[in-house]
Amino acid sequence: AQSVAQPEDQVNVAEGNPLTVKCTYSVSGNPYLFWYVQYPNRGLQFLLKYITGDNLVKGSYGFEAEFNKSQTSFHLKKPSALVSDSALYFCAVRDHSGAGSYQLTFGKGTKLSVIP
Amino acid sequence: DAGVIQSPRHEVTEMGQEVTLRCKPISGHNSLFWYRQTMMRGLELLIYFNNNVPIDDSGMPEDRFSAKMPNASFSTLKIQPSEPRDSAVYFCASQGKVTYEQYFGPGTRLTVT
Repeated sequence: AQSVAQPEDQVNVAEGNPLTVKCTYSVSGNPYLFWYVQYPNRGLQFLLKYITGDNLVKGSYGFEAEFNKSQTSFHLKKPSALVSDSALYFCAVRDHSGAGSYQLTFGKGTKLSVIP
Repeated sequence: DAGVIQSPRHEVTEMGQEVTLRCKPISGHNSLFWYRQTMMRGLELLIYFNNNVPIDDSGMPEDRFSAKMPNASFSTLKIQPSEPRDSAVYFCASQGKVTYEQYFGPGTRLTVT
């Protein structure tokens, strides 16, 4: 079975400061990892993914995430937060081995509030 | 590309009525997923299709829920009869053959009174 944990329900950060949204995962094989963002009354929007290769992946809107296999983590980061980054962020994992490998398992989400 | 299209965007119905939600995936995508989002349970996968064939429907809550994908460009999620606890936002997502990420539609907000 695969699972994702986002330990923080809410993260508050001042505009211009760096932000981190945490994610840890559990899979039986090698993971595919994803971050999505959801703005109010909107669908989930893909931000970035880790499939293989460089552990640091860059995505949309200046976001990046670092895959750490030993810590089974995939934290989302941004060097300088904007008020417009305020939204709900979801981490997701997919085990790309075996049956059912198309399924994504999502974390419960972290609400990011960027304070002007 | 228009993205994943869902209709209706909002649906308000009375308990016991039939509800049909519709989804048009991104052209060329061969996998389609139906999710439900609520405050209490978060984002739940209900069912997914690969090449129009249902692969896993273990997330469908009960027999009142059914989903079909008659062709590569259309899917429906039906609830009959609907109950107040079905109130949620229902999302459809699609995925291409050579991509790894899913692309979500704007969702249908269902309210059952």
